[in-house]
Amino acid sequence: SQKIEQNSEALNIQEGKTATLTCNYTNYSPAYLQWYRQDPGRGPVFLLLIRENEKEKRKERLKVTFDTTLKQSLFHITASQPADSATYLCALPDSGTYKYIFGTGTRLKVLA
Amino acid sequence: EPEVTQTPSHQVTQMGQEVILRCVPISNHLYFYWYRQILGQKVEFLVSFYNNEISEKSEIFDDQFSVERPDGSNFTLKIRSTKLEDSAMYFCASSEAPVGGYSGNTIYFGEGSWLTVV
Repeated sequence: SQKIEQNSEALNIQEGKTATLTCNYTNYSPAYLQWYRQDPGRGPVFLLLIRENEKEKRKERLKVTFDTTLKQSLFHITASQPADSATYLCALPDSGTYKYIFGTGTRLKVLA
Repeated sequence: EPEVTQTPSHQVTQMGQEVILRCVPISNHLYFYWYRQILGQKVEFLVSFYNNEISEKSEIFDDQFSVERPDGSNFTLKIRSTKLEDSAMYFCASSEAPVGGYSGNTIYFGEGSWLTVV
């Protein structure tokens, strides 16, 4: 079955810098991939979806890339702010089913 | 903006007791889900529900669990005879159209019900 790997170690960056988070998957390439934000004790909030035929997707300060050859998606936050501090989850559709599977997430901390 | 609401936000229960977690999905959504997240672990799928039937369930969703849509607005998760390992955050979610596959439809999560079994 599909496995999703995200860096479980926290990422600390200085305010104003670009944060880059990685999502790797191990099995089949999905038709699309999603990124969610999760704050402590809260539910995941959808941020962006990128399809397999899209190399890059942007939304305000967020940018997502999808490389099916590398089986990897990168999630970038430019001009990061302390308010961007949260855990970011990668999610893929599970093959042959109608559900999403989630990675463990990467915790981002933006230092003022 | 429409949102998924869940109650209670936190429940403490004795091992062996039954709990019911309640959810009000977004009003025009037709597909409903329960996910759970054990502290420090990933969000895991439990069950999906459509047209008053379970459409898919995970291995976690055994006979201890059940779901119901008792009326036109609520969606509930019942956990019978709770165990210590049921302690987790339970998220209700909904979507307008089926998720997964090639659809790319977005799933909207509630804020969660934190269940502590003691």
